[in-house]
Amino acid sequence: DAMVIQNPRYQVTQFGKPVTLSCSQTLNHNVMYWYQQKSSQAPKLLFHYYDKDFNNEADTPDNFQSRRPNTSFCFLDIRSPGLGDAAMYLCATSRQNQNQPQHFGDGTRLSIL
Amino acid sequence: LAKTTQPISMDSYEGQEVNITCSHNNIATNDYITWYQQFPSQGPRFIIQGYKTKVTNEVASLFIPADRKSSTLSLPRVSLSDTAVYYCLVGEMIYNQGGKLIFGQGTELSVKP
Repeated sequence: DAMVIQNPRYQVTQFGKPVTLSCSQTLNHNVMYWYQQKSSQAPKLLFHYYDKDFNNEADTPDNFQSRRPNTSFCFLDIRSPGLGDAAMYLCATSRQNQNQPQHFGDGTRLSIL
Repeated sequence: LAKTTQPISMDSYEGQEVNITCSHNNIATNDYITWYQQFPSQGPRFIIQGYKTKVTNEVASLFIPADRKSSTLSLPRVSLSDTAVYYCLVGEMIYNQGGKLIFGQGTELSVKP
């Protein structure tokens, strides 16, 4: 059973056209993360939510925003996608407790035309 | 956050034991060592986690020496389906911010028949 669900699996958008990627979880975890993974590279943390508290990585571009309306859902908004934003975007969740592993979705692959 | 170094790639044959070593010289007292596996077009999947000595589960073993400056993931009797990228991570739980994982370059394991 899928526990971290990302929709859609593939997303195509135009250069400069805002796009939203979604993530939902059935694990009731209070921490949710967004990673960017470019081809042949490791995932790179963009930001994460601890409950409703948003934590942005220092090098995450302002073009990337996130929303978490409730425990189960988290969204990644890219306000003006550039060609360099084409990547796989991974959502993950974890429990608050000490060193609990992260559970990843299978990602959304974003293409920019 | 501690930086990790692991081989970029490894080759093996079906039925062999594979050992992937990761160095993390700057590991902090509170850091755990976690390994993830990632197949193409999928999110990373948790394999095993440890703090010191040896940890074993149904898929792998993790060996950590006393100084904790390195760790070795051991995969017994690999099969073709173990072909994947393996990431070693040293993560910490930041109070009220959840866990923070910084992925290193990963080791691309290729298992041949």
